[in-house]
Amino acid sequence: DTAVSQTPKYLVTQMGNDKSIKCEQNLGHDTMYWYKQDSKKFLKIMFSYNNKELIINETVPNRFSPKSPDKAHLNLHINSLELGDSAVYFCASSRAGGDTQYFGPGTRLTVL
Amino acid sequence: AQSVTQLDSHVSVSEGTPVLLRCNYSSSYSPSLFWYVQHPNKGLQLLLKYTSAATLVKGINGFEAEFKKSETSFHLTKPSAHMSDAAEYFCVVTAFGGYNKLIFGAGTRLAVHP
Repeated sequence: DTAVSQTPKYLVTQMGNDKSIKCEQNLGHDTMYWYKQDSKKFLKIMFSYNNKELIINETVPNRFSPKSPDKAHLNLHINSLELGDSAVYFCASSRAGGDTQYFGPGTRLTVL
Repeated sequence: AQSVTQLDSHVSVSEGTPVLLRCNYSSSYSPSLFWYVQHPNKGLQLLLKYTSAATLVKGINGFEAEFKKSETSFHLTKPSAHMSDAAEYFCVVTAFGGYNKLIFGAGTRLAVHP
């Protein structure tokens, strides 16, 4: 009965590889988000989709590409991984027009 | 532009004593304000939110926060700390301009000692 789920929970990879993180929500929400939490615990929004349409796109390298196959899923694909991409990535969702966001458990990405 | 300042990066209390985590915000409009908690190696859980209905907001696990517009503050309190309260706490404000963009404070790590 998990509300917002992410896979994988941990991801360890080499520099230069391409990887994806998947996110699914079963709350019936229309809006989904990706956040990055750095090593100092600081959280910053990266992207937001509403009904499969991109509505927030912060200053993020274009190596990061979100993809929303339907409104219950928002995946994050990262090309040519760099050391600085190591972080915890959180997915979240909310109702359209609602301000309470519900977060997934996070994916800890480590780039070696 | 909106911003959030959490005044203490670390707070340490003894079990059974009160908790105060301080948050000031800056906003040119009336934002929504939240407190989220992150337990070690876990995701973020919503503790409470303020959306102008009442200035004193009660949340889960005995936490509450008071919105003070004159002081632009939204401090989080709990009368009696429990060991399970040890976690990272984030004060959050919605950004102006719609799209439900959240701006996070830097976090306050709460340690609870027996």
